[in-house]
Amino acid sequence: AQSVTQLGSHVSVSEGALVLLRCNYSSSVPPYLFWYVQYPNQGLQLLLKYTSAATLVKGINGFEAEFKKSETSFHLTKPSAHMSDAAEYFCAVSPYEKLTFGTGTRLTIIP
Amino acid sequence: GAGVSQSPRYKVAKRGQDVALRCDPISGHVSLFWYQQALGQGPEFLTYFQNEAQLDKSGLPSDRFFAERPEGSVSTLKIQRTQQEDSAVYLCASSLGIRGDTGELFFGEGSRLTVL
Repeated sequence: AQSVTQLGSHVSVSEGALVLLRCNYSSSVPPYLFWYVQYPNQGLQLLLKYTSAATLVKGINGFEAEFKKSETSFHLTKPSAHMSDAAEYFCAVSPYEKLTFGTGTRLTIIP
Repeated sequence: GAGVSQSPRYKVAKRGQDVALRCDPISGHVSLFWYQQALGQGPEFLTYFQNEAQLDKSGLPSDRFFAERPEGSVSTLKIQRTQQEDSAVYLCASSLGIRGDTGELFFGEGSRLTVL
């Protein structure tokens, strides 16, 4: 069985500051890992995915994530937050197509 | 269409009514998924189709929930005798479904169901 745990249901950062959203996974097989973003009243949009190639994955909108097997982590970062980054972020894990999502982290950007 | 289309976007039902939610996936996508997202929670898997075959319905919460995809394209999620706990956003997603695909799902905007 696969699962993900997102630490921190709410994160606030100042505009221009580092964004760090935490995700730890549990998987009995080598996982595929994903970060999705959800803006208000919209569906989920893929930010980036890890599929056992490079451990540092770059995604859209300046986000990146690093797969660390020893820590079972896949944390999402962005060097400089922008107001448009305010949204809900979901980490997800799957062995193939069926995704298991975390509970989400709401990111607030402080002007 | 260019993306996954869901209708209705908003549905208010009285407890006990039946509802039907429609999903039109991206053309050519083999796989189709339904997820339920309760307020403040992450999406929870309901069911999965590959073409017209329902391969996994382990997430359907009760026998009041039924999904179909008769021609391998449009799908309908039906909820009978709705209860207040059914209030949620129902998300549909599709993917290419090619063997070895790394599983990027394309989501619709969801259907928000409120049961009074």
